[in-house]
Amino acid sequence: EPEVTQTPSHQVTQMGQEVILRCVPISNHLYFYWYRQILGQKVEFLVSFYNNEISEKSEIFDDQFSVERPDGSNFTLKIRSTKLEDSAMYFCASRNRGGNEKLFFGSGTQLSVL
Amino acid sequence: AQSVAQPEDQVNVAEGNPLTVKCTYSVSGNPYLFWYVQYPNRGLQFLLKYITGDNLVKGSYGFEAEFNKSQTSFHLKKPSALVSDSALYFCAAPYNNNDMRFGAGTRLTVKP
Repeated sequence: EPEVTQTPSHQVTQMGQEVILRCVPISNHLYFYWYRQILGQKVEFLVSFYNNEISEKSEIFDDQFSVERPDGSNFTLKIRSTKLEDSAMYFCASRNRGGNEKLFFGSGTQLSVL
Repeated sequence: AQSVAQPEDQVNVAEGNPLTVKCTYSVSGNPYLFWYVQYPNRGLQFLLKYITGDNLVKGSYGFEAEFNKSQTSFHLKKPSALVSDSALYFCAAPYNNNDMRFGAGTRLTVKP
């Protein structure tokens, strides 16, 4: 079965540094998402992306966050100036339609901000 | 917009016993409801979904879920639990046409 891939699996950074989390969604998918999960608890929606623009974003997704689809395969999440509270597992997901279509998730990037 | 709630943080069952993981929903209009599972150090995996039709939905790994409109519930069930079913389970629903929102999760532990 096709997979969503995320790199790196672990990222350690210093507070205030910029990080870029990378994702390769499934190739024929059109909708892309970032979620985060803190300490294995609730999965929080960050942002959805369709047709080369943000569709929706949560209150978590402030000006420090940005997303980009720089080419036909990658989907990135950038955090400009990391804070301690940004430490979390970040999941990328994709699907080929919106609405009631299921999401396919990557295995996540564990971000640790020191 | 839809929202879901999972009233239990933790469910413990003995292997071989039936299991239920609870989810309630709040919607305007026809509900679309999902269950996902997360095994340790993995991303979420789709188990099943309810769109319309039969109230009993069958999914992966022997799981099923019952849509109950009068109780606004969509509980996940399995007749006989396995130790390997131990994982974190999330109920989910589309918040709008573009994104999916998840419940707080229920940690299922199946003991031998």
